[in-house]
Parts: sequence; structure tokens; C-alpha cells
Amino acid sequence: EIVLTQSPDTLSLSPGERATLSCRASQSVSSSYLAWYQQKPGQAPRLLIYGASSRATGIPDRFSGSVSGTDFTLIISRLEPEDFAVYYCQQYGSSPRTFGQGTKVEIK
Amino acid sequence: QVQLQESGPGLVKPSETLSLTCTVSGGSISSYYWSWIRQPPGKGLEWIGYMYYSGNTNHNPSLKSRLSTSVDTSKNQVSLKLNSVTAADTAVYYCARGGLELDNWGQGTLVTVSS
Repeated sequence: EIVLTQSPDTLSLSPGERATLSCRASQSVSSSYLAWYQQKPGQAPRLLIYGASSRATGIPDRFSGSVSGTDFTLIISRLEPEDFAVYYCQQYGSSPRTFGQGTKVEIK
Repeated sequence: QVQLQESGPGLVKPSETLSLTCTVSGGSISSYYWSWIRQPPGKGLEWIGYMYYSGNTNHNPSLKSRLSTSVDTSKNQVSLKLNSVTAADTAVYYCARGGLELDNWGQGTLVTVSS
């Protein structure tokens, strides 16, 4: 089973700042099959990024994803008020699919 | 616009079977894989498994012995049954479209396991 470790657990930033979220896999993720989701309180997760770097339909271009080896990164270039939420990474290159523990982006 | 709606009992007794249904509207269930994910209160996401209308399934080994899933194309529904539940199975249960990335989610339904 691939373990995904997200860091930091909490990121305290102000609107307009840049957010950098990390997701490290315990082993290689096949075909860069990694997704990022955003979850707000009381809501279902929403797909942001798939294939490590492709934006899902309707996702603003301030969200971007990248990969280097087993290290995946989600960048929010300029935080908008609606971006404060919990972010999860998920690998779907092998079974069982696994999620990271989440990073909370909170208002500083 | 495809919409997913989970339904089922909100309270299940320990040792009994948890049964949930996900109704898909606005699109055919036969064209996609469908997944179940759960989230214990205040915690992270756990993948339960996915299924295809043909019967192909892939379940989390941690739940495999207790889990069954099915697809009813006539009703455009997918279903989940988890038997011998304990308090550790208390969670919000989500259905989602996809067997790879999950691009469309239901709103989720809270299931509490308690006597």
C-alpha cells in the first residue's frame, strides 16, 4: 500500500499569498496518477487536479500541480477567501487507492 | 450535469449490516466506474472501493471480507453493504464517479453505528 504524507498539517496564510502544499509518496506512483481535492466544512471533496498536473473542469488557473519523483506539490498562486479549506492528495496508480491525511489552509 | 445522491439508514446497530444506495441522475451509470469513500467525523478520507456496471470491482483489502457492492443499471443506482459493523465504521459515506480520479461526488450521508 502506498502511504501519502502531506505537509504541513496546517498552513496559516493571508488572502493574496501563495500556498505550497506537499504530498510525498512512500513509493513510486504509477503514471503520476495523483489527484488533489479541496474540502470545505460540511461539503464533499471537489476534484482540483488529476494526473499530478491537469486541472479539472472549472478549476481556476491559480491552482497548479507538479511532481518530482515521489514528491507532489499543489500550489495556489494567490489565495482567494474561498480557498481556505482542507486539501487532500490521493493516488490511484495502484490498489488500494490511498489518501493523504490532509493539509488545512487557514486564514492567518 | 450528473448528480449523485446517497441514501440509507443514519443509524445502524453494532454487528448488523450497513446498506447504502447511491442514485445517479443526469447520466448513464453504464459509462463510468463508481466509487465509495468514507470519512469518520473530524478525520480524513478512506477509499472503500469501486465498481463497474459489468460487475468488475476493486475493494479495499481492509474491508474486503465484510464488503459487497453492486450496480443496478435499471435504477441507475450503485449500492454498498458492509456487514458486522462496529463503532469504527461510523463515518460520512460518499459515492463518487470514477475508478481513477473522482470527478463528481455525492453530498455524503452520515452513518452512525450505535446501540
